[in-house]
Amino acid sequence: GDSVTQMEGPVTLSEEAFLTINCTYTATGYPSLFWYVQYPGEGLQLLLKATKADDKGSNKGFEATYRKETTSFHLEKGSVQVSDSAVYFCALSDRDTDKLIFGTGTRLQVFP
Amino acid sequence: NAGVMQNPRHLVRRRGQEARLRCSPMKGHSHVYWYRQLPEEGLKFMVYLQKENIIDESGMPKERFSAEFPKEGPSILRIQQVVRGDSAAYFCASSLGQAGGETQYFGPGTRLLVL
Repeated sequence: GDSVTQMEGPVTLSEEAFLTINCTYTATGYPSLFWYVQYPGEGLQLLLKATKADDKGSNKGFEATYRKETTSFHLEKGSVQVSDSAVYFCALSDRDTDKLIFGTGTRLQVFP
Repeated sequence: NAGVMQNPRHLVRRRGQEARLRCSPMKGHSHVYWYRQLPEEGLKFMVYLQKENIIDESGMPKERFSAEFPKEGPSILRIQQVVRGDSAAYFCASSLGQAGGETQYFGPGTRLLVL
């Protein structure tokens, strides 16, 4: 079945460092891809999405490009802030039902 | 425009009791999804509902769990005879459901603790 694999955390960075969180997927069709962020004690917030190959999603300085050839959707940010500390989830949506299949999450810790 | 609302935010039950979790989707959304997040894990799909219909319940445990989304009122996730392994955060999400890849908007979750 469809699945998402993302790098294990925690990822620990200093403020203003470059961030990459890897995400790869396995799917029979052409799913839409998402990054969600979860702050402590809260629900998930959509960070960005891409619905077809070569699309780039971007929001709040974060970017991810839908790469069909490598089945990847890596999350990047050029300069992280302490406030970016959270857990980041990569997900794909089933084309028929839109149900989301999540990776296990990557905890990001940014220190001043 | 209010977001997805869930209540209660925290729920404590003793083994064998029933837990009822409620979810009100965003205004205009008719598609509801329930997910479960076990401690230190990702979210796992449980069930997908439209008004008065269960579309996909492939992620629901076969026993003790049920879900509904009536014509009027919130969606309800019901867990009968809870056990300690049911302790988790339960998240509801809603969408317009108009096309593939539609964004789902999540509620703040209900954190269930079974003693």
